[in-house]
Amino acid sequence: QSVLTQPPSASGTPGQRVTVSCSGSSSNIGSNYVHWYQQLPGTAPKVLIQFNNQRPSGVPDRFSGSRSGTSASLAISGLRSEDEADYYCAAWDDGLSGPVFGGGTKLTVL
Amino acid sequence: QLQLQESGPGLVKPSETLSLSCMVSGGSISSGNYYWGWIRQPPGKGLEWIGNVYNSGKTNYNPSLKSRVTISVDTSKNHFSLKLHSVTAADTAVYYCARHWIGEANFDFWGQGTLVTVSS
Repeated sequence: QSVLTQPPSASGTPGQRVTVSCSGSSSNIGSNYVHWYQQLPGTAPKVLIQFNNQRPSGVPDRFSGSRSGTSASLAISGLRSEDEADYYCAAWDDGLSGPVFGGGTKLTVL
Repeated sequence: QLQLQESGPGLVKPSETLSLSCMVSGGSISSGNYYWGWIRQPPGKGLEWIGNVYNSGKTNYNPSLKSRVTISVDTSKNHFSLKLHSVTAADTAVYYCARHWIGEANFDFWGQGTLVTVSS
């Protein structure tokens, strides 16, 4: 049971806009930044969005993040086949004094 | 460019100790306000934070694993290590080492991961 809650799956067709939600509590998302990771099959996770809505260098602007209260969302616009991957949200948890992750969302491009 | 590389046995017997090392290159483990952490991912499952260490040797552990985990750092060799004691089959996972900012969950550099299987 993950501390942050994500839907296990999401899907869309090429060119569509897809969102992935992440729900937490006042001790994590409600008081700390949210970060998003993309994990392609057989590879290590890669940070996609950091500090709620900042894209690291090299991440396309098709990816965007937002946070409101104790929830956060990752949006992918102009969906492409190479976006098919697992997506994880993460945030620092003040009660745990450590990072917590969502259970991951498997994105399928139909 | 910072690089991290895990190393250690890929097979550990039940009740024994899992030992992994993470070599850091392209930067000093002593510089900056970063934690050096371990994360694991059981086959087909999500990510779980195990713990982290600061360059001073200060550690933080996931309470669910705290009784069995020891993380240490060797700044002279620019690497940090994980020991997980009394392992069971439930500890079978890909183990990643990664760097993250103090007080944040942004793991900006990751190792490639190493699969550790617990089996007799």
